[in-house]
Amino acid sequence: KQEVTQIPAALSVPEGENLVLNCSFTDSAIYNLQWFRQDPGKGLTSLLLIQSSQREQTSGRLNASLDKSSGRSTLYIAASQPGDSATYLCAVRPSGGSNYKLTFGKGTLLTVNP
Amino acid sequence: DAGVIQSPRHEVTEMGQEVTLRCKPISGHNSLFWYRQTMMRGLELLIYFNNNVPIDDSGMPEDRFSAKMPNASFSTLKIQPSEPRDSAVYFCASIPAGGPGELFFGEGSRLTVL
Repeated sequence: KQEVTQIPAALSVPEGENLVLNCSFTDSAIYNLQWFRQDPGKGLTSLLLIQSSQREQTSGRLNASLDKSSGRSTLYIAASQPGDSATYLCAVRPSGGSNYKLTFGKGTLLTVNP
Repeated sequence: DAGVIQSPRHEVTEMGQEVTLRCKPISGHNSLFWYRQTMMRGLELLIYFNNNVPIDDSGMPEDRFSAKMPNASFSTLKIQPSEPRDSAVYFCASIPAGGPGELFFGEGSRLTVL
């Protein structure tokens, strides 16, 4: 059974700092990995999706990497801003049968202090 | 594009009452999911539809829960009778036909059962 872990559970940084959020998964048979952010009382907003054949994806100040063999993904946020404060979740889609069943991590609560 | 639209955003009801949550997926999306999010259990997949057909309802907690998708632009999740332990945020999400399988969430329906 796939397990997805996000460490740390919470992170507080000063504005302007570059930071890395971690996501690890136990089963490397994945189709893709998706990073989301969730603001309080809101839905999940898709940030980046990495296919299993890709090593990284970039969008603006965000860069996500994937190392399938080691079961790890990182989300790099450059020059953090208070508006980046949110909970960040990663989700893994399995390859093969039942590949609609994403496994979500519990998220990292990020606070960027002005 | 309006995104995935859910209603109501908030629902407060009394135990034993019927609750109906509604979802309009993004046009052109042929896969639809209902999730439930709680602090204790995180995100749980309740049911998955593909091309309006229920494919996997193994996550539906019990017979009090039912879901329908009468057409490509509308789905409902019904709880009858509701219980306090059903209190949670219920999300609808959809995936476009073709493409890399990126999941898009609605803003959620926060249900409180007294």
